[in-house]
Amino acid sequence: EIGLTQSPGTLSLSPGERATLSCRASQSVSSSYLAWYQQKPGQAPRLLIYGASSRATGIPDRFSGSGSGTDFTLTISRLEPEDFAVYYCQQYGSSPPMYTFGQGTKLEIK
Amino acid sequence: QVQLQQWGAGLLKPSETLSLTCAVYGGSLSDYWWSWIRQPPGKGLEWIGEINHGGSTNYSPSLKSRVTISVDTSENQLSLKLTSVTAADTAVYYCARGRQKQWLNWGQGTLVTVSS
Repeated sequence: EIGLTQSPGTLSLSPGERATLSCRASQSVSSSYLAWYQQKPGQAPRLLIYGASSRATGIPDRFSGSGSGTDFTLTISRLEPEDFAVYYCQQYGSSPPMYTFGQGTKLEIK
Repeated sequence: QVQLQQWGAGLLKPSETLSLTCAVYGGSLSDYWWSWIRQPPGKGLEWIGEINHGGSTNYSPSLKSRVTISVDTSENQLSLKLTSVTAADTAVYYCARGRQKQWLNWGQGTLVTVSS
C-alpha cells in the first residue's frame, strides 16, 4: 500500500501570497492517478487537480499542480480569502486496487 | 449536472450494521465507478470501496471483511453496508462518482455516530 505524506501540516499565509503544498509518496505513483482536493468545514471535498497537473472544470488558474514519481506539489499563485481550507492529495494504485489520501495540509490565514 | 443524495441511520450501537444509500440524479450509474469514502470527525479521508454499474467491487483491505457495496441500476442507487460497527467507525460517510480514479461529484455526507 502506497502512503502519502503531506507537508507542512499547517501553512499560515496572508491573502495575496503564494502557497506551496507538498505531497510525497512512499513509492512511485502514476501521475495519471494523483489528485488534489480542497475541503472547507462542513463541506465535501472538491476536486482541484487531476492527473497531477490538470485543473478540474471551473477551478481558477491560480491553482496549479506539478510533480512526478514520488514528489508532487500544489501551488496557489496568489491566495484569495476563499482559498483558506484543508487540502488533500490522493492517489490510486492498481495492485491491489486501492486509493489513499495524504493526511492533509491546513492552509490558514496569518 | 450529476447530483448525489445520500441517506441512512445516523446513530448506531456497537455491533450493529451501518447502512447508507446514495441516489444518483442527472446521470447514470453506467460508465463510472462509484465509491464510498469516510472522514472521522476532525480527521482525514479514508476510502472504503468502490463499485461499477455491473456490480464489480474493490474494497479497502482494512475494511474488506465488514463491507458490502451494491448497486440497484433500476433505482440508480448504490448502497453501503458495514457490519459490526464500533466507535472507530464514527465518521461522515460520503458517496462519490469516480472518473479517471478521482472523484468530481460527491454526496452531501452523512454523519454516522456509533455509541452505546
